[in-house]
Amino acid sequence: EPEVTQTPSHQVTQMGQEVILRCVPISNHLYFYWYRQILGQKVEFLVSFYNNEISEKSEIFDDQFSVERPDGSNFTLKIRSTKLEDSAMYFCASRPSGRNTGELFFGEGSRLTVL
Amino acid sequence: GENVEQHPSTLSVQEGDSAVIKCTYSDSASNYFPWYKQELGKGPQLIIDIRSNVGEKKDQRIAVTLNKTAKHFSLHITETQPEDSAVYFCAAWTEGGSQGNLIFGKGTKLSVKP
Repeated sequence: EPEVTQTPSHQVTQMGQEVILRCVPISNHLYFYWYRQILGQKVEFLVSFYNNEISEKSEIFDDQFSVERPDGSNFTLKIRSTKLEDSAMYFCASRPSGRNTGELFFGEGSRLTVL
Repeated sequence: GENVEQHPSTLSVQEGDSAVIKCTYSDSASNYFPWYKQELGKGPQLIIDIRSNVGEKKDQRIAVTLNKTAKHFSLHITETQPEDSAVYFCAAWTEGGSQGNLIFGKGTKLSVKP
C-alpha cells in the first residue's frame, strides 16, 4: 500500500540552527500538508501546498518556516533558525487530487528536538 | 475559523466493554469528519470517516455517528481489545482557504485493560 515517508525520523539540533525535514508524498497526490504536534498536545495545521505554491498557512507558520517541492517527489519543511519551542513531531500529509474533502494520509513523523 | 472540541481526554475501559469518544465542531460548513488512531511514536492513521450527508457509518467494531444539527459526532468502539489502546483524534474538514484543511481535536487517550 502506498504511503507517505518522512526523514529523518528524529533530529536533534542546537537552537538557532537550520533544519530541513523531508517528505515523499504518495506519488499520485497533488495536495500536501505539514502539521505539528507538540508532545502530549493535539495535531496542529501548519501549511498546505498545491501547484508549487502555498495554499494556506496558520499563524504558527511564520517567517522562520518555508516549504518547497524541489523536485517531482520531495516536499520539504525548512525552519531557518530553530527555537526551543519548535521541538515537536512534524507530520507530512498528502491527499489525492480532484477531491475537496480531507482524506489525508499521514507519514510517521519527524521528531525535532531543539536544545 | 473551525474549532473542534473532544471529550474525554482520557478513557479507561475493561477489555470487552464499549468506548465512546465525542467531538463537537463550530463551523456548520464543515463536511467531512475523520477519526485517526495514533499509536506511540507513530503518525495518525485514519480508521473511519463520515461525510455530512450521512448520519452513521459502521466498520466492524467501529462506528461513527454525526448529528449535523447539533454539530457533534462520536466514535463508538465495541468489544474493545488491548490493541485498541492508543490516542484517538477526531477532526473536521473546513473549506477555509483555497483548498481547506483538517482541524483536529485534542485527542483521547484510550486504555483498554485486559
